[in-house]
Amino acid sequence: GAGVSQSPSNKVTEKGKDVELRCDPISGHTALYWYRQRLGQGLEFLIYFQGNSAPDKSGLPSDRFSAERTGGSVSTLTIQRTQQEDSAVYLCASSSTGLLPQHFGDGTRLSIL
Amino acid sequence: GIQVEQSPPDLILQEGANSTLRCNFSDSVNNLQWFHQNPWGQLINLFYIPSGTKQNGRLSATTVATERYSSLYISSSQTTDSGVYFCAVEQGYGQNFVFGPGTRLSVLP
Repeated sequence: GAGVSQSPSNKVTEKGKDVELRCDPISGHTALYWYRQRLGQGLEFLIYFQGNSAPDKSGLPSDRFSAERTGGSVSTLTIQRTQQEDSAVYLCASSSTGLLPQHFGDGTRLSIL
Repeated sequence: GIQVEQSPPDLILQEGANSTLRCNFSDSVNNLQWFHQNPWGQLINLFYIPSGTKQNGRLSATTVATERYSSLYISSSQTTDSGVYFCAVEQGYGQNFVFGPGTRLSVLP
């Protein structure tokens, strides 16, 4: 597509539920990144994919977080047993070579009640 | 790990004024990028600038890797420049990016 697409744009769920966030990168981009931005804070790196593999998962905050990418394209970020501290905007970005610059989606605003 | 600082944390300008935003980092980096997050939360790439100087319209950026800093210069500021400006650095390739805390810019009409 023309840009990085994320869905849903907003998600409100109860504490303890699982959520799945989707990212559709720019066509042909091999690198895909997930970030989190809590209210009033800077961006926090979560995970990086090169193709379907994730050489760096060091940013995932806990084992409740997981991500996968299939077909070198769409990625899903799954948060299990959500907690209130998971409330944030989750941003996805892609790049053509795994180097900068990155192109960002509009994000998914996640609110945990 | 590497530390990234940005200054000033907040900046208020009158439309038409110029400003310089600074990013300092504590170790050598392979990549550096400036982003603008507009008031609606969308992130826009401004510059990919691991070293040297680049210009794009009213914006320019300079990175002096040996001195571990980068500057973003905004000339003739406009209200649409308002938002948060982040710099992000990377020590590997496509690995763990570290973002600065951002500079919040408000341009008043």
